[in-house]
Amino acid sequence: SQQGEEDPQALSIQEGENATMNCSYKTSINNLQWYRQNSGRGLVHLILIRSNEREKHSGRLRVTLDTSKKSSSLLITASRAADTASYFCATAYNNAGNMLTFGGGTRLMVKP
Amino acid sequence: DGGITQSPKYLFRKEGQNVTLSCEQNLNHDAMYWYRQDPGQGLRLIYYSQIVNDFQKGDIAEGYSVSREKKESFPLTVTSAQKNPTAFYLCASSRQGLYGWDEQYFGPGTRLTVT
Repeated sequence: SQQGEEDPQALSIQEGENATMNCSYKTSINNLQWYRQNSGRGLVHLILIRSNEREKHSGRLRVTLDTSKKSSSLLITASRAADTASYFCATAYNNAGNMLTFGGGTRLMVKP
Repeated sequence: DGGITQSPKYLFRKEGQNVTLSCEQNLNHDAMYWYRQDPGQGLRLIYYSQIVNDFQKGDIAEGYSVSREKKESFPLTVTSAQKNPTAFYLCASSRQGLYGWDEQYFGPGTRLTVT
């Protein structure tokens, strides 16, 4: 299957700084979703952005989508120690129905 | 209290034994999914079901089987044919919205160790 790729694989920042994670994918999508996973737990949905949208906000989260470059970014502003987790992008490819393809994730550590 | 439950949280089995992982949801979602996650990796789709009594193979279905006899339940059996079954297994569900399928809701996962 065609996996998205996240960049960077790991990110370490100080509390209060912004964190940016990027995701690239390979073919046309219906939507792209970002999820968060705390260590050893299930995934929690953060934001879904559709192919006809360019930017979406939710609290301290901002997601952008550039379909011409086949890429998306997740920005977490004013990070907190509690934001420490793995973040995954998942793409819903056209003609793939409800199947999602997950990237390998970015492991974010926010130091207090 | 709505959500997805998976049991047990930890499961240990001997090589050569089949094992069934439970997944139940009370969200009234039509679609359910099983994923496998290996350490430091993303999720890979094993099987999914969009409707009762119907399911499709995902990317890594070999050595696994599922059933969908009820809307609320989607158990996964890891058979002895699965060559490397030790992993973290995640179940999810979703509903069909106005513009297609909505986001997926995940259970807490089952960590399976086979020795």
